[in-house]
Amino acid sequence: LAKTTQPISMDSYEGQEVNITCSHNNIATNDYITWYQQFPSQGPRFIIQGYKTKVTNEVASLFIPADRKSSTLSLPRVSLSDTAVYYCLVGEPVGGGADGLTFGKGTHLIIQP
Amino acid sequence: NAGVTQTPKFQVLKTGQSMTLQCAQDMNHNSMYWYRQDPGMGLRLIYYSASEGTTDKGEVPNGYNVSRLNKREFSLRLESAAPSQTSVYFCASSESPISRVKTQYFGPGTRLLVL
Repeated sequence: LAKTTQPISMDSYEGQEVNITCSHNNIATNDYITWYQQFPSQGPRFIIQGYKTKVTNEVASLFIPADRKSSTLSLPRVSLSDTAVYYCLVGEPVGGGADGLTFGKGTHLIIQP
Repeated sequence: NAGVTQTPKFQVLKTGQSMTLQCAQDMNHNSMYWYRQDPGMGLRLIYYSASEGTTDKGEVPNGYNVSRLNKREFSLRLESAAPSQTSVYFCASSESPISRVKTQYFGPGTRLLVL
């Protein structure tokens, strides 16, 4: 399993761009990088997934350097409603071990007015 | 399309009591999962079902049993509840266990308090 390391917490302000970086030095060739968002009293929600370079959707962008040992989730122009815990996950190899996702403690993002 | 639903939303048990947490999904997904989340912690996998008729242990299976009743439903049973099982339980589903796109869809959670 590829272990991930991300900051425990981050603060920012409404309207700012927020970048959350995740380290995954032992990522395997077939692994994808996925980010989930969790609001209090709710289950995690898929945000974005990528394998290399850059992926963008209506919610966020994901930047992955060539060595894939880290990734950065970018949230443009955050609002108070973006206050949540963000989890960085690295996908397990196909057919290997438990098929569940490995969640760490995540990054608690707090957006202030 | 309700996605993943869980019942009950909240439950209080006494030590030694038993209960079953229910989960259902209407997305025709093959794989289903049960996680627990303790305060300030990430999610930990309890059991999963790669497809109808199969179940496997996850990271923390002790004290739990599961049943994949059909493709839609996956239940989690606590035979003799203990205070250490106080937690929030999340059910999730995904399309295929062999897909590299491991996107899972989560239910709203069941909050369990064992006294």
